Amino acid sequence: EAQVTQNPRYLITVTGKKLTVTCSQNMNHEYMSWYRQDPGLGLRQIYYSMNVEVTDKGDVPEGYKVSRKEKRNFPLILESPSPNQTSLYFCASSRPGGRPPYNEQFFGPGTRLTVL
Amino acid sequence: DQQVKQNSPSLSVQEGRISILNCDYTNSMFDYFLWYKKYPAEGPTFLISISSIKDKNEDGRFTVFLNKSAKHLSLHIVPSQPGDSAVYFCAAVEGTGANNLFFGTGTRLTVIP
Repeated sequence: EAQVTQNPRYLITVTGKKLTVTCSQNMNHEYMSWYRQDPGLGLRQIYYSMNVEVTDKGDVPEGYKVSRKEKRNFPLILESPSPNQTSLYFCASSRPGGRPPYNEQFFGPGTRLTVL
Repeated sequence: DQQVKQNSPSLSVQEGRISILNCDYTNSMFDYFLWYKKYPAEGPTFLISISSIKDKNEDGRFTVFLNKSAKHLSLHIVPSQPGDSAVYFCAAVEGTGANNLFFGTGTRLTVIP
């Protein structure tokens, strides 16, 4: 089954304790990205990756890191989490430009993070 | 600044009636638009899209209309079904082949049986 998986699904942590949210896709997609969803703000892009070893900032990258060492994985790293990073996080993947709907992104189920 | 806006946070419609969800954008360089549907505890799923060279795209009960001069698009669902109850996000992208989506804030649709 084609899917994007995220782990963990739920996480409660404390300020300053480094954490990693994993994301994996089995569709051989080149493009992967991370979003956060907050009430009244919709989905905002944090980071994206066009391919292995190619990453770039989205709209709200502060406080986050990513890496793309393998095509299927795109972990999100919070080196020193703060309460304002409490949010619902989604990983997504898509194939690159080509036949529409090439912009269609496949989303993971989400990770609800609470930073105390 | 929000480049894609959904000004109605919620909408309630009777089963069988038409649901109309609206979306406005400010960036005239957007040339591809998508609608996503999101159920609780799940990620958004792609619903329908439209290129800026078209003004209408239809897929079963779902039709998206684009008015470029007004920078406005709408999603029509007819007839509405209880299973359509979800949060709907409008999204836009600049440049064909680009993948960076700009999302609206979402509209929660409730279809009343």
